[in-house]
Amino acid sequence: EPEVTQTPSHQVTQMGQEVILRCVPISNHLYFYWYRQILGQKVEFLVSFYNNEISEKSEIFDDQFSVERPDGSNFTLKIRSTKLEDSAMYFCASSGLSGRSYNSPLHFGNGTRLTVT
Amino acid sequence: SQELEQSPQSLIVQEGKNLTINCTSSKTLYGLYWYKQKYGEGLIFLMMLQKGGEEKSHEKITAKLDEKKQQSSLHITASQPSHAGIYLCGAGDYNTDKLIFGTGTRLQVFP
Repeated sequence: EPEVTQTPSHQVTQMGQEVILRCVPISNHLYFYWYRQILGQKVEFLVSFYNNEISEKSEIFDDQFSVERPDGSNFTLKIRSTKLEDSAMYFCASSGLSGRSYNSPLHFGNGTRLTVT
Repeated sequence: SQELEQSPQSLIVQEGKNLTINCTSSKTLYGLYWYKQKYGEGLIFLMMLQKGGEEKSHEKITAKLDEKKQQSSLHITASQPSHAGIYLCGAGDYNTDKLIFGTGTRLQVFP
């Protein structure tokens, strides 16, 4: 069964450094997402991406964050200058149906655990 | 903003027992999703419910949507250790890409 893959599984970085989290969505999917989960808290929406542009973003997704689909397969999340509070599990997801959340089951990757020291 | 509350927060059952997890929304439910998460892993899609009264089953897991009560329930019949994990409900809306997740229910099944 096709799946969403994320690399690396764990990333440790120092505060102020840039990190890039990588994702390969399911090949025929058109809608891509990043979510995060701070330890012990809920899974939170960061951003959705369709047709090479951001379609929606949350208040968490500030200027320190950016997303890109550099080629036909990868989808990346960049954090420009990491802060301690960015430590979390970051999940990539994709959907083949539509961007709207009421009818669009998301398929998630296994996540990248980001630790900022 | 919409909030999803799950109950119970934690559940420990003996193998073979049935169990139910509830998800209650503060607003009208349109799309309702159930996911399972194992510790340190991603979210596995279980089921999507869209219409009031809708009921879906997959293997020993059944989910129902009660539109009037703004609530969904997930029922596991004859639980097994493989059912252990964290169950999350997620709610969607017509006007957003954003999926709101519940607080999660941690299920442990002992032999």
